[in-house]
Amino acid sequence: DGGITQSPKYLFRKEGQNVTLSCEQNLNHDAMYWYRQDPGQGLRLIYYSQIVNDFQKGDIAEGYSVSREKKESFPLTVTSAQKNPTAFYLCASSIPPQQGSGQFFGPGTRLTVL
Amino acid sequence: QQQVKQSPQSLIVQKGGISIINCAYENTAFDYFPWYQQFPGKGPALLIAIRPDVSEKKEGRFTISFNKSAKQFSLHIMDSQPGDSATYFCAASSGSNYKLTFGKGTLLTVNP
Repeated sequence: DGGITQSPKYLFRKEGQNVTLSCEQNLNHDAMYWYRQDPGQGLRLIYYSQIVNDFQKGDIAEGYSVSREKKESFPLTVTSAQKNPTAFYLCASSIPPQQGSGQFFGPGTRLTVL
Repeated sequence: QQQVKQSPQSLIVQKGGISIINCAYENTAFDYFPWYQQFPGKGPALLIAIRPDVSEKKEGRFTISFNKSAKQFSLHIMDSQPGDSATYFCAASSGSNYKLTFGKGTLLTVNP
């Protein structure tokens, strides 16, 4: 069953803690993405990776970090430097855009800072 | 220039009616325009997409209309059903650019 999995589904964090959100895909996609979704704000790109061991900042990268050591995995760390981390986080993957198709999303992780 | 403006913000339609959501863009380099459907608490799902070489694409009850000269594209949902109630996002990207620019979404409610 091909797709994108994100874990955990819900995550609670105390202020000052770093947390890591998991994203795994078995679609054999080269590219992976992290988005943040807030009510009424649409989707905002945090980081993306076109290929293993390479990644680029998106529009709102401050306070976040990523790694891409394996093609299947693209974990996102929300650091204590992120001022307002409570949000719905979405991971996506795709083939290279010039080959067509769109981005395919995982089910999301809802992060709440207590 | 990277913006995609989506309207309306919310839409209420009666069952069996036509739902129409509009998007406008400024970047003439955009050449891929997908629409996503998102149910509460779920990730967005790719619904239908169009490239500027065609003016219309239809898949079942969902149709994208594209007007290149006006830099606008729209999603039409025919015979709208309560199960279509969701948030819809338009998006756009250009060439080999990996980044998708999203509209802010339209909350569609279809009343039975």
